[in-house]
Amino acid sequence: DSGVTQTPKHLITATGQRVTLRCSPRSGDLSVYWYQQSLDQGLQFLIHYYNGEERAKGNILERFSAQQFPDLHSELNLSSLELGDSALYFCASSQGAAYGYTFGSGTRLTVV
Amino acid sequence: AQSVAQPEDQVNVAEGNPLTVKCTYSVSGNPYLFWYVQYPNRGLQFLLKYITGDNLVKGSYGFEAEFNKSQTSFHLKKPSALVSDSALYFCAVRDKNAGNMLTFGGGTRLMVKP
Repeated sequence: DSGVTQTPKHLITATGQRVTLRCSPRSGDLSVYWYQQSLDQGLQFLIHYYNGEERAKGNILERFSAQQFPDLHSELNLSSLELGDSALYFCASSQGAAYGYTFGSGTRLTVV
Repeated sequence: AQSVAQPEDQVNVAEGNPLTVKCTYSVSGNPYLFWYVQYPNRGLQFLLKYITGDNLVKGSYGFEAEFNKSQTSFHLKKPSALVSDSALYFCAVRDKNAGNMLTFGGGTRLMVKP
């Protein structure tokens, strides 16, 4: 157990639908990073939150959004889902780059 | 922009032999470098990091990595490979200009054969 909890572990949904992925960071970590891992794109950075504020955006589609709540858990919302959104979605938490980054076990999203 | 490259999609090694998984980086300033391992249907597990100090970094499961500034490399090594080391390995670099997010290489699949 890495200390970073992601739910659900698996999600199967239809095209056009909306889903929410949840991430609870390690105790004490203020930063949450979201990544998408697909077969043809590797690990792509989506977005970073620090203590409730958005700090950096990567290759995140407009159909995707995220937020970090006062208790520091984060949610990634994916809407108008397409087949190509099928991927593993990871979150990582950190208390600073020098301390490292801890990844959750991921949510496998399958869009059918 | 910061980047890392893993030039080998796959590395094959016999059990008991030494292994090397290559990584080169391109960053401005001093790099923060990381190695992660991913087993099937699992998350990314931290192996080791280089922030500063000794160029030889020791990590989990007997792995080590050598930071070489002149060659901008951070190769992962292990003296004696185990079949259980077979997995997908990722090198990553911290991007200080983008919220300290990690930029990953494309990954190298390590296959250790008995």
